[in-house]
Amino acid sequence: AQSVTQPDIHITVSEGASLELRCNYSYGATPYLFWYVQSPGQGLQLLLKYFSGDTLVQGIKGFEAEFKRSQSSFNLRKPSVHWSDAAEYFCAVGPKAAGNKLTFGGGTRVLVKP
Amino acid sequence: EPEVTQTPSHQVTQMGQEVILRCVPISNHLYFYWYRQILGQKVEFLVSFYNNEISEKSEIFDDQFSVERPDGSNFTLKIRSTKLEDSAMYFCASRVQGAEKLFFGSGTQLSVL
Repeated sequence: AQSVTQPDIHITVSEGASLELRCNYSYGATPYLFWYVQSPGQGLQLLLKYFSGDTLVQGIKGFEAEFKRSQSSFNLRKPSVHWSDAAEYFCAVGPKAAGNKLTFGGGTRVLVKP
Repeated sequence: EPEVTQTPSHQVTQMGQEVILRCVPISNHLYFYWYRQILGQKVEFLVSFYNNEISEKSEIFDDQFSVERPDGSNFTLKIRSTKLEDSAMYFCASRVQGAEKLFFGSGTQLSVL
């Protein structure tokens, strides 16, 4: 069965510092991979996705993620965080067939210190 | 950017009561979904809906749950007889045909007392 693990429940980072959020997945084949962000009172917003090709994908808001097949990982990074990046971040996987039955990780809550 | 709209944002109900959670997907989207997140747990898939029928449902989506697209704009989730364990944030999502990007609503927080 597929599963997604986000080992860090909370991360606190200083504004301007770099950020890396970890995501590991277990799946029968290479799935579609996603990162979503949820700001307080908002829905889940797609940051970026990986389907195939270049393993380093760029997303919105200055985020990027790298797919590493050998490690079954899809870690999210941002070189310099802004206070507005404080939110909860979810990694998700889904099948390459149509359907969008996404399996989510538990989320990582990011706090940004001034 | 277009939005998926969910109403109400908060719903409080008594155990055993019926609730209907409402969603207005993005107008040209054809695929619709409900997910939920119990406090402290992962976001879980409930059901997907296309062409006026359920495409896939999870084990959670038992006979107490139903979905409907009553008109051209709304997509509803009904829980017939709510239980305490139905308390959760319920997210509606939609997408266009041929695209994998899901657009999520901001959720309805359901509290069953």
